[in-house]
Amino acid sequence: SQQGEEDPQALSIQEGENATMNCSYKTSINNLQWYRQNSGRGLVHLILIRSNEREKHSGRLRVTLDTSKKSSSLLITASRAADTASYFCATAAGTASKLTFGTGTRLQVTL
Amino acid sequence: NAGVTQTPKFRVLKTGQSMTLLCAQDMNHEYMYWYRQDPGMGLRLIHYSVGEGTTAKGEVPDGYNVSRLKKQNFLLGLESAAPSQTSVYFCASRERTGDGQPQHFGDGTRLSIL
Repeated sequence: SQQGEEDPQALSIQEGENATMNCSYKTSINNLQWYRQNSGRGLVHLILIRSNEREKHSGRLRVTLDTSKKSSSLLITASRAADTASYFCATAAGTASKLTFGTGTRLQVTL
Repeated sequence: NAGVTQTPKFRVLKTGQSMTLLCAQDMNHEYMYWYRQDPGMGLRLIHYSVGEGTTAKGEVPDGYNVSRLKKQNFLLGLESAAPSQTSVYFCASRERTGDGQPQHFGDGTRLSIL
């Protein structure tokens, strides 16, 4: 079963706008990670936030984590056409740091 | 530095045929994983390995077998392919140390079972 669900399923914005994606999960976690997947390619790691952290930044990315609500959000600021991709959250727990993925958000950034 | 390489990239099988998907990584990673990705769903873990000679079941292991005879290779086998196994298969690897290590993914194998 999927650990989490992402909202929205699809998002279409214009270049320069901000994009916000949300992720909810069900069980306790060690950390939560966000990955990007371009069409026809594998997943690429974007950012990781540990369970004892509330907010993290990396370039144009900002991630928040609320463990009391079991939710996370990914904000991409000043989006570019190259940001067009699917974005997945993944929670890590237990041995071997196995990841459980959400269902993904498809982001379309138009010129 | 190739990272994670999956072969083949595409394959069409008939029901009942068998095949092996190969994953190779050149990063000396201890942990390796096999996932499947179906439309509208995220990745689901099939099997994983925490080191050479070890394997373990993930969320959806039925119908698949794996082997990790060499540290750099992780093989996924379908003994008798079924249409329900039509999917895109991804391999990933990561370092063992620390819980903050990301997984590195290959570009996938697109498998169709007729």
